[in-house]
Amino acid sequence: EAQVTQNPRYLITVTGKKLTVTCSQNMNHEYMSWYRQDPGLGLRQIYYSMNVEVTDKGDVPEGYKVSRKEKRNFPLILESPSPNQTSLYFCASSPIHGLAGGPQETQYFGPGTRLLVL
Amino acid sequence: AQSVTQLDSQVPVFEEAPVELRCNYSSSVSVYLFWYVQYPNQGLQLLLKYLSGSTLVESINGFEAEFNKSQTSFHLRKPSVHISDTAEYFCAVMYTGFQKLVFGTGTRLLVSP
Repeated sequence: EAQVTQNPRYLITVTGKKLTVTCSQNMNHEYMSWYRQDPGLGLRQIYYSMNVEVTDKGDVPEGYKVSRKEKRNFPLILESPSPNQTSLYFCASSPIHGLAGGPQETQYFGPGTRLLVL
Repeated sequence: AQSVTQLDSQVPVFEEAPVELRCNYSSSVSVYLFWYVQYPNQGLQLLLKYLSGSTLVESINGFEAEFNKSQTSFHLRKPSVHISDTAEYFCAVMYTGFQKLVFGTGTRLLVSP
């Protein structure tokens, strides 16, 4: 089954304790992205990756890191989490648009990771 | 600046009534338009999309949206809602040449019996 998986689905942690949220897709997509969802703000892009070893900042990258060592995986790293990073996080993937060069029109979303930082 | 506006944060409606969820975007350059739905405690699912061609697009569960270029809008409609349509709906825009989706803030549709 084609899917995007995220782990963990739920996480409670304390300020300053490094954590990683994993994201994996089995569709051989080049493009992957991380979003955070907050009430009243919708989804905002944190980081994206156009392919292996190619990553770039989205709209709200502060406090986050990513890596893309393999095509299928795109982990989100919080080196020193703070309470303002309490949020619902989504990973998404898509193929690259052959002509436009960006992500194809339809992105596939993971189930989400709910993070609480105390 | 690229932005997507969903003016209604919450829309309460009775079952079998019609509903319209509004979406406007900031630019008139070439765009792709989407509606995503998020059911309680679930991830986002693509509901429908406009890429090109007919300005009226439909989903399999009775929703439709119409692309209006002059008004830069992509409103979502359903003539008769069900309880099961209760969810949050996000409008999203991809501006061609840019490498991301821009989301609206979401509209929570609450369907009551």
